[in-house]
Amino acid sequence: TQLLEQSPQFLSIQEGENLTVYCNSSSVFSSLQWYRQEPGEGPVLLVTVVTGGEVKKLKRLTFQFGDARKDSSLHITAAQPGDTGLYLCAGAQSRNDYKLSFGAGTTVTVRA
Amino acid sequence: DAGVTQSPTHLIKTRGQHVTLRCSPISGHKSVSWYQQVLGQGPQFIFQYYEKEERGRGNFPDRFSARQFPNYSSELNVNALLLGDSALYLCASGPQGIVNTEAFFGQGTRLTVV
Repeated sequence: TQLLEQSPQFLSIQEGENLTVYCNSSSVFSSLQWYRQEPGEGPVLLVTVVTGGEVKKLKRLTFQFGDARKDSSLHITAAQPGDTGLYLCAGAQSRNDYKLSFGAGTTVTVRA
Repeated sequence: DAGVTQSPTHLIKTRGQHVTLRCSPISGHKSVSWYQQVLGQGPQFIFQYYEKEERGRGNFPDRFSARQFPNYSSELNVNALLLGDSALYLCASGPQGIVNTEAFFGQGTRLTVV
């Protein structure tokens, strides 16, 4: 069983539409990170959130950390084909943790 | 600056063989972690090494071993390969032994066991 559950598993939208990806857990995390991974490549870090209720924006991407630090969301506004990829959330359960626990990922496809 | 580099990028092995995967961290980074990513799943933690010592090990059999060298590069060894070991093996480096905002992943080694 995975500590972090991501939903939906797959998402296919038209260019210009908005989308939201969710990352949920019954456990509390010290920090949560979001990665994007393209086929045959390693994950690329997008953002780290560490404070409950925190909201971070990265151009058209908005990341939110739940108040209880058990869940997070990634919202993309006006999606573009370049946003296509596997979006992974990963968490560290304590500040001194040496490993990341990953969700299974959400595969996002943005059609032109 | 060079990122995390892994070699080889692709590898095909036969069941029962052993394999060695290599990772060079970003210059100045002292921590190297290994993850296994099976198709359709997120990466699973295998090992972390910091300052040449094993800091943590995930739920993997003893067939998996690793080490870190004085220059902070690392090797992951897998003995007696099984079909289920087919996966993308990822290496991540960081400046410290704890997870922080600065963990960078390499492009991975795609291992296929036939």
